[in-house]
Amino acid sequence: GEDVEQSLFLSVREGDSSVINCTYTDSSSTYLYWYKQEPGAGLQLLTYIFSNMDMKQDQRLTVLLNKKDKHLSLRIADTQTGDSAIYFCAEKLSTLTFGKGTMLLVSP
Amino acid sequence: EAGVAQSPRYKIIEKRQSVAFWCNPISGHATLYWYQQILGQGPKLLIQFQNNGVVDDSQLPKDRFSAERLKGVDSTLKIQPAKLEDSAVYLCASSGPGRGYEQYFGPGTRLTVT
Repeated sequence: GEDVEQSLFLSVREGDSSVINCTYTDSSSTYLYWYKQEPGAGLQLLTYIFSNMDMKQDQRLTVLLNKKDKHLSLRIADTQTGDSAIYFCAEKLSTLTFGKGTMLLVSP
Repeated sequence: EAGVAQSPRYKIIEKRQSVAFWCNPISGHATLYWYQQILGQGPKLLIQFQNNGVVDDSQLPKDRFSAERLKGVDSTLKIQPAKLEDSAVYLCASSGPGRGYEQYFGPGTRLTVT
């Protein structure tokens, strides 16, 4: 397909792990990004991964990249209610192309 | 370090009116972007500046949208005349010399066209 695709919704309980998945379009993408958007706010850069890496860990966040399948995932460990937001993946070719976002709802 | 600033935060206009948005990027960031985010969608790039030159404006509806970045710092995005389908959040972002080409976003301007 020609779009960056993400599942639309994920619901988890506080303390569980969350895994948000993304399929991107172009195997020549150089960087892949995860952004977080809270209601009424702009996008906050969470993390990014260079295309020659398989995994990147940053505190509670783990990014996994499968270049063969053009699949990117974001795992949030020990999910908190403050993690409730919309999460966007984006791929960089000449410009950034974003998915439609995954709404993460964390219940107490 | 101050983030990307945008104003106004909200704007309501009638169709066929004009509107302008302002953006001040992070100090030292040479690249500035304007995105349109329609409800339920991811941001879509409208225009990219490198200093005060346009790098990519292929998705800017040039019959009604214009943007400038005088002196390579602040930028304005204008819509004239506005249509109902222009209702969206307009996001400004900037990027600097980071090796990951990370873009940092402002809070956005929510435009409602009635």
